[in-house]
Amino acid sequence: KAGVTQTPRYLIKTRGQQVTLSCSPISGHRSVSWYQQTPGQGLQFLFEYFSETQRNKGNFPGRFSGRQFSNSRSEMNVSTLELGDSALYLCASSLAGINEKLFFGSGTQLSVL
Amino acid sequence: DQQVKQNSPSLSVQEGRISILNCDYTNSMFDYFLWYKKYPAEGPTFLISISSIKDKNEDGRFTVFLNKSAKHLSLHIVPSQPGDSAVYFCAASVASGGSYIPTFGRGTSLIVHP
Repeated sequence: KAGVTQTPRYLIKTRGQQVTLSCSPISGHRSVSWYQQTPGQGLQFLFEYFSETQRNKGNFPGRFSGRQFSNSRSEMNVSTLELGDSALYLCASSLAGINEKLFFGSGTQLSVL
Repeated sequence: DQQVKQNSPSLSVQEGRISILNCDYTNSMFDYFLWYKKYPAEGPTFLISISSIKDKNEDGRFTVFLNKSAKHLSLHIVPSQPGDSAVYFCAASVASGGSYIPTFGRGTSLIVHP
């Protein structure tokens, strides 16, 4: 089975721009969640999608948004980028998100200049 | 306010010895706990988990202990190997909106010296 695939792997943007990150979950997995990792901050939960619906949302500003498509693929969008948005963005998938282990992609490293 | 704390940012251990990674949590509603391991330039991978109805779970060289009264869990790696060198994240979850969203600690970087 192919793992969780995230594209692009690296991204450099400037302040004020917007960015879209993509995530393809493991085949059959319907839950996709997104995390932000910054140095020394661990993994901060952004949001979770299940069957195209946002089921949970973390404490991030409205500039961060996402969506899930019918094939479970997910995208995350950040508008009006700020320097503090520089981070590793990780996508994780699971069958249904019910106390299951998460399968993570390798992440997208976003640098905002 | 951190609900899951890993107070040791780093740990150095000799190959063959025991590694003990600690994790404390504040939310008594957490009922499922997981450990993930992360190598540089890779996403975290699941290592081991434990439900709040248990106090110990073993998987090969890895054992997780849960002390609910102290709101503390620990991961023991015996014997430690150089390939275990990675960042270890503790995570805790509680049902929310129909799913279990894990809250992660900030991680402990384990270095196992040959």
